[in-house]
Amino acid sequence: ILNVEQSPQSLHVQEGDSTNFTCSFPSSNFYALHWYRWETAKSPEALFVMTLNGDEKKKGRISATLNTKEGYSYLYIKGSQPEDSATYLCALITQGGSEKLVFGKGTKLTVNP
Amino acid sequence: EPEVTQTPSHQVTQMGQEVILRCVPISNHLYFYWYRQILGQKVEFLVSFYNNEISEKSEIFDDQFSVERPDGSNFTLKIRSTKLEDSAMYFCASSEAPGLTDTQYFGPGTRLTVL
Repeated sequence: ILNVEQSPQSLHVQEGDSTNFTCSFPSSNFYALHWYRWETAKSPEALFVMTLNGDEKKKGRISATLNTKEGYSYLYIKGSQPEDSATYLCALITQGGSEKLVFGKGTKLTVNP
Repeated sequence: EPEVTQTPSHQVTQMGQEVILRCVPISNHLYFYWYRQILGQKVEFLVSFYNNEISEKSEIFDDQFSVERPDGSNFTLKIRSTKLEDSAMYFCASSEAPGLTDTQYFGPGTRLTVL
């Protein structure tokens, strides 16, 4: 069974803090990793699609890195703001041509003002 | 900015009833998907659809489920005879190109409650 794990499950930080969380996945048949940001009652918002080992992508204060050899990706948020409060989901695409996203359970981030 | 829309936002139904969940994908997208999230669990894939055919389906997507693109804009998920365990948030997604490395854009979901 393909398992994508995210840690921590939840995180509380103060406004202005920088934070990071992890997505772990089996490295053996990796093809791509998708990151999403999901606020309650809204559509999950696509952040990044990462494919290459060593990839680093950035969108404003949010960045992500990818290590396909050891099977993990980190998401970083610099100077967290209350509007960053959301659940951050990662999802794996495996080799073989399937478009099926295999999701982790998410990290729920709360940024306190 | 174009977005995926879904209706209704919340559907309550009795066990054994048929439900149809509706989605309007982004207009120039060709690849369509349904996912669901049972409360407290991971988001899980149900089905992918391209060129008026199912391209892949999960073990969850049994004979009780069907998908259709009845016209040029809508994409529907039908559950023929709902069970209690079908209660979940159902998400529609679409992508312009195959969603392996192309972004799958998600709608806001339909919360289905089966009583």
